[in-house]
Amino acid sequence: QKEVEQDPGPLSVPEGAIVSLNCTYSNSAFQYFMWYRQYSRKGPELLMYTYSSGNKEDGRFTAQVDKSSKYISLFIRDSQPSDSATYLCAMRATGGGNKLTFGTGTQLKVEL
Amino acid sequence: DTGVSQNPRHKITKRGQNVTFRCDPISEHNRLYWYRQTLGQGPEFLTYFQNEAQLEKSRLLSDRFSAERPKGSFSTLEIQRTEQGDSAMYLCASSPGTANTGELFFGEGSRLTVL
Repeated sequence: QKEVEQDPGPLSVPEGAIVSLNCTYSNSAFQYFMWYRQYSRKGPELLMYTYSSGNKEDGRFTAQVDKSSKYISLFIRDSQPSDSATYLCAMRATGGGNKLTFGTGTQLKVEL
Repeated sequence: DTGVSQNPRHKITKRGQNVTFRCDPISEHNRLYWYRQTLGQGPEFLTYFQNEAQLEKSRLLSDRFSAERPKGSFSTLEIQRTEQGDSAMYLCASSPGTANTGELFFGEGSRLTVL
């Protein structure tokens, strides 16, 4: 079993929809949780970062972490075609040189 | 451009050949990471450096793989006697050692195709 599980999709939604992306994990040592966005043939870029449990909002994006359930989510409001990409959850424990463990990524397509 | 730079962007080679990839991190970032990403999967950690010291290597990094970071600046990843299973995107990332966010700044990757 992988340390981080993520539904690979693909997920197709109409423009303007609310998108919910999720990951579960098994390693209780994970304290830092991130969402990266990866466009086709590009490297991942950091979208959201959360430390421990709680919510964080940045524009149309909201990240949630529930450590008791080992479950993290990313919500995208008013989705746009430009949001079409692969979304990777990533997490790390304290220390460890910032080494990240990634999920498989969820491929999202926002259609006009 | 001040981002992470990787070369070559795409390499096609025959099985058994050696290949080398180069990564130039963001200036003043003292940590440098190599990840491998196969189709439909997330990046998998291979190794990382703090300055010139290689501090951790994944079990994925077989003895055919070697990474160096001379003088703590650019890094090279060499794969000897390539196999078809080595076909993947090799991603380099860097980070400032003091960052609490853990943000890694990725390059655009070097895609390896082994025929």
